[in-house]
Formats: sequence, structure tokens, C-alpha cells
Amino acid sequence: DVKVTQSSRYLVKRTGEKVFLECVQDMDHENMFWYRQDPGLGLRLIYFSYDVKMKEKGDIPEGYSVSREKKERFSLILESASTNQTSMYLCASHGAGVHGELFFGEGSRLTVL
Amino acid sequence: SQKIEQNSEALNIQEGKTATLTCNYTNYSPAYLQWYRQDPGRGPVFLLLIRENEKEKRKERLKVTFDTTLKQSLFHITASQPADSATYLCALRGDAGNMLTFGGGTRLMVKP
Repeated sequence: DVKVTQSSRYLVKRTGEKVFLECVQDMDHENMFWYRQDPGLGLRLIYFSYDVKMKEKGDIPEGYSVSREKKERFSLILESASTNQTSMYLCASHGAGVHGELFFGEGSRLTVL
Repeated sequence: SQKIEQNSEALNIQEGKTATLTCNYTNYSPAYLQWYRQDPGRGPVFLLLIRENEKEKRKERLKVTFDTTLKQSLFHITASQPADSATYLCALRGDAGNMLTFGGGTRLMVKP
């Protein structure tokens, strides 16, 4: 059973804290993605990665960074969390080939106080 | 600018009826379009992919059409059930790179 696992389902952090969101996939996929989802705004792409140590900015990268040290793991980092980063964060992956369906994790709901 | 539009208002239908959801796009020339289902508090789950040269695709009670002239995809669920209640998202790939862009989703409520 293919799986994308996000380390935390719910997190509460304070403004200014550093936040790590971890994502691991077991499908040997090259491509991994981080989205955030907000009511009325839908899913928006933050960053994606084609390969280990490769990263590309999505539509809303400001305030975020990512790390892809191993093929199966893609981490999203909030260097200094702010209240406007309160959101649902979704990690996804797909294999080689442009037409690949995305496999999503269950999501991490982050609240920044 | 590129846009993907889905009806943001919830669609309420009676069990047993056919639900039809719409996805319209502008300034895209997608080679294919995908549909996903999302339950509250969960990640989206892939349902169907339809290519530009396919007018229609079916999977069990699901049917998707793709009209590249109208720039529209329709997603149908026949003999709908309360368990079909969820938000349905369409997605397509833009001109640049490997990024899949999603519509805002339409919430479907099927009442018994």
C-alpha cells in the first residue's frame, strides 16, 4: 500500500518559532511537493523538488524553505513562524512522467499563536 | 492570467440522483486534467485522469468529460450515495514545469 506520511497531524507553535514539517514517501518517487490549503484559496504550491538536493519555488515560497537530503524525505521549514502561516499543509509525491497522479499525505494542521 | 474555476457553492443533491460538477479553465492548454476527492481534514485522493484527446472517461459510477474547445471538464457521479459527500478538486498542469495547479474545489452533499 503506497504511502505518504507526514510527521505531525496537528501542531501549535508560537510566533517566531522555527517549525519543521516532515514528509516521507515509500514509493521511490522523484517528485515531491508541499502545498498549503486555506478556505477560499484552495491548494497553493509552496515548493517542489525533482530530485535529491533539488528544489524549485512554487507560487508562494516566501517565509518557507525546504530540504531534500534523501529521495524519500522532503521537509518544509518555517524559519520564523507567523500567524499568517496558520494553515493546513499537504505533502505530495509522484513518480517519473509528467502525467503522474499525486499521492498526498494526510496533512499537518499548523496553528501559530 | 491562468485560472481554474470550480463552483465554490456547495452542491446539494438527493441520494440516487446524478451529481454534476464543473471545472472551467482559462489560458491553459492542458494535455490532460485530473480529478481528486478530499474528505474533511484529509489529503486529496486521485480519482481520474482524462487526456486532451479523450472526450469521456468512466470509472464505475464516475464519468468525466473534457471539452478543450469550451475549456471545461464535467465530473459526474451517477446513483449518488451519502458516502460520496466530499469536496472534489480538478487539477491541471500549466505550461511551465512540473507543477499541478488545483481549482478551489466544489463541496458535494448527498442527502439520504
